[in-house]
Amino acid sequence: NAGVTQTPKFQVLKTGQSMTLQCAQDMNHEYMSWYRQDPGMGLRLIHYSVGAGITDQGEVPNGYNVSRSTTEDFPLRLLSAAPSQTSVYFCASSYSGQAPAYGYTFGSGTRLTVV
Amino acid sequence: AQTVTQSQPEMSVQEAETVTLSCTYDTSESNYYLFWYKQPPSRQMILVIRQEAYKQQNATENRFSVNFQKAAKSFSLKISDSQLGDTAMYFCAFMKLYMYSGGGADGLTFGKGTHLIIQP
Repeated sequence: NAGVTQTPKFQVLKTGQSMTLQCAQDMNHEYMSWYRQDPGMGLRLIHYSVGAGITDQGEVPNGYNVSRSTTEDFPLRLLSAAPSQTSVYFCASSYSGQAPAYGYTFGSGTRLTVV
Repeated sequence: AQTVTQSQPEMSVQEAETVTLSCTYDTSESNYYLFWYKQPPSRQMILVIRQEAYKQQNATENRFSVNFQKAAKSFSLKISDSQLGDTAMYFCAFMKLYMYSGGGADGLTFGKGTHLIIQP
């Protein structure tokens, strides 16, 4: 099925470990982004990309790295996990010119716990 | 920077009733869009309705409608004939527009959400 696929769905990390959250879309969307959702905080933008090779920071980028080598994939890297990064992470994508018309397509989320 | 405020952390109504969720926002932008997203217990984010700031007419999608007051920077969601399946978190979101390589949009700024419970 076409859409945004996030893996894994659940992950437990120890403080200081590194990992990559995967996000892939098969809709040829130019725009991809990562959000984190914390209780009582809504969703906050971490990083986004408007096309392959182009990334920029959102509201809460510290502790996260991204790269965009292909249109389809936009991985989020945690280099040294901290308990403050315990959250649910969402990937979202859209056609850049059509985001206002259709909003974004969201993945189903990754629940990350850092102990 | 823009902010989005949802002042009702939780609401509860009886099935078939009408309920209104409040949202206010603050921005200096003139071109933007507003959205309501629904997040059921499955965690999936589902677009409910959207509103273009340049349009005065309020958006409507079946049982869902908005009351958009641009001068007051208010964007409330009305759910008519509420159903048990409407139970979810509802998020108001703001998107500003900018010109990028032929047109584009920025990321979403979300409110903290309203937990809506529909009672049988």
